[in-house]
Amino acid sequence: DPKIIQKPKYLVAVTGSEKILICEQYLGHNAMYWYRQSAKKPLEFMFSYSYQKLMDNQTASSRFQPQSSKKNHLDLQITALKPDDSATYFCASSQGLGVQNTLYFGAGTRLSVL
Amino acid sequence: QQNVQQSPESLIVPEGARTSLNCTFSDSASQYFWWYRQHSGKAPKALMSIFSNGEKEEGRFTIHLNKASLHFSLHIRDSQPSDSALYLCAVTPRGSALGRLHFGAGTQLIVIP
Repeated sequence: DPKIIQKPKYLVAVTGSEKILICEQYLGHNAMYWYRQSAKKPLEFMFSYSYQKLMDNQTASSRFQPQSSKKNHLDLQITALKPDDSATYFCASSQGLGVQNTLYFGAGTRLSVL
Repeated sequence: QQNVQQSPESLIVPEGARTSLNCTFSDSASQYFWWYRQHSGKAPKALMSIFSNGEKEEGRFTIHLNKASLHFSLHIRDSQPSDSALYLCAVTPRGSALGRLHFGAGTQLIVIP
């Protein structure tokens, strides 16, 4: 059974619309993250959260807003979608807060913006 | 900004071969060094990590780090068709808050039976 659940698996959106990507982890981890993988760039860090608090933000655009209602839940809201936002968005989690902690990734949400 | 480069971009080897994948980084103060493997359409999954110069072996996989050369590598002994995947190296940069890894673009490995 997958321990990090991402929904939906595939998502098609029109330019200018808004979408929410869902992520829940059942590994009992204390930290959660969003990464993005597009055809043009390597896997890219976006946000990190711990105990529902934002720890790091490397996303320049305010159109990307993480939302955490519970410690094991981290959604990603994307507004005013653009074709360049097309990518696979991966949620990840780790047990602890130190740099030596392994990141575990979900299966991803593949977003296509038309 | 950390620059992580992988070589080669792609590699085709016969089953049973020894495979070597390379990764260079730009900041010698980087803290941790990782290899992830991503099968097509799947999540990246951590293979191994190292933080100090030298070698570390786990089964058929060996990771080697040389910080002075800004280089680390992954060696796969007795490569299997199931090893066919995209291999991603990643670096934890200096002073990084938790979870921020800088990834390379990947090496696509194909192991021919």
